[in-house]
Amino acid sequence: QVHLQQSGPGVVKPSQTLSLTCAISGDSVSSNSAAWNWIRQSPSRGLEWLGRTYYRSKWSRWYTDYAAAVRSRVTITPDTSKNQLSLQLTSVTPDDAAVYYCAKGGAGNVYDIWGQGTTVTVSS
Amino acid sequence: EIVMTQSPATLSVSPGQRATLSCRASRSVYSDLAWYQQKLGQAPRLLIEGASTRATGVPARFSGSGSGTEFTLTIGSLQSEDFAVYYCQQYNNWPYTFGQGTKLEIK
Repeated sequence: QVHLQQSGPGVVKPSQTLSLTCAISGDSVSSNSAAWNWIRQSPSRGLEWLGRTYYRSKWSRWYTDYAAAVRSRVTITPDTSKNQLSLQLTSVTPDDAAVYYCAKGGAGNVYDIWGQGTTVTVSS
Repeated sequence: EIVMTQSPATLSVSPGQRATLSCRASRSVYSDLAWYQQKLGQAPRLLIEGASTRATGVPARFSGSGSGTEFTLTIGSLQSEDFAVYYCQQYNNWPYTFGQGTKLEIK
């Protein structure tokens, strides 16, 4: 049974970097049939996909895709030694306040497993 | 990007009755459409993928239909635990996008 456990601070100062981690159990961040996503949700933006990372052994490489709206500020990194992925969002503003989720995208490209969510407030 | 529009924004239905939720895509997504249920304080839960295939463990009273640009989620004989917010999501065209949600409330 796949489980995603998120961790990270709930308050970030404006202009600072938001950093969250998603620990995976019951699956592998290096899975050939999964993609590991970060999605956020706010009243103003609804559910907004931020980016994903995935590994494909056929090409022996990692892939990363980001949403255009945050591409210049976001980094998603897999950590195979800890079987987890991380999210970094730089130069945050109050507009980045949201509940952040990690989610597994299966072979069908739907998000079938979600983390518990982390509420992030941007405040000095 | 493809815009997903859900209607109505809020739907009031009595327990035991049927609920019908709609989702429209700004252009065809074929059958690459998923539905999620979100309860207060929880993460979304996958209900339907491929427009009509129930996810593991989803009760049979949930059914999805449609293709192209028009989709429907039907919940037959509403139970108390079904009152929540429902989102559609297309995964045919990158980036994958969500609708703004339909809140299903008790009448």
